[in-house]
Amino acid sequence: SQQGEEDPQALSIQEGENATMNCSYKTSINNLQWYRQNSGRGLVHLILIRSNEREKHSGRLRVTLDTSKKSSSLLITASRAADTASYFCATGRGYQKVTFGIGTKLQVIP
Amino acid sequence: GAGVSQSPSNKVTEKGKDVELRCDPISGHTALYWYRQRLGQGLEFLIYFQGNSAPDKSGLPSDRFSAERTGESVSTLTIQRTQQEDSAVYLCASSLALVQSYNEQFFGPGTRLTVL
Repeated sequence: SQQGEEDPQALSIQEGENATMNCSYKTSINNLQWYRQNSGRGLVHLILIRSNEREKHSGRLRVTLDTSKKSSSLLITASRAADTASYFCATGRGYQKVTFGIGTKLQVIP
Repeated sequence: GAGVSQSPSNKVTEKGKDVELRCDPISGHTALYWYRQRLGQGLEFLIYFQGNSAPDKSGLPSDRFSAERTGESVSTLTIQRTQQEDSAVYLCASSLALVQSYNEQFFGPGTRLTVL
């Protein structure tokens, strides 16, 4: 089964609002990453957070990691229509192998 | 080019035919990954290369699927006797590979395979 599971599976918000997506995983990890996918094609890396970090920021993105709860959240502030995409979390463990979740489909309505 | 490229971008084939999908990773990236993504679904890991070796083939769905990599560069994913259930987007990614570390994966645009 998938290591990472995002929720919600779909999210629809108005432009300017904040969007929060969550990811839960089952086993220990070295790091967790978030990716964005537009139009069902290639993924773009957004941010990586290591297992000894609790929070990380990149522009309008804020990621938190709670290893005790085996969960992470991705917050996109002041959302834009261009943020409409699917967002995936990916957990890394050991030598390079990563496991992707099923994704959250975010729709930002102008 | 500077990014990961895949070819063909689209492939339509008849059930029972063999197909080859190609991936050209970013130069210098020693790790290369293949994933499958069915419509509306997440990414399904297929196989991973470190150099020309594949230490993890656990994701290959059946013995109809095989992959190779040569010159620590281009990789080919071959699907023999294609079935309709093989229809999906096949994504390739590459990354710098450091032992006991993890690096960002750079994805190609994918090959959309349709088996009629």
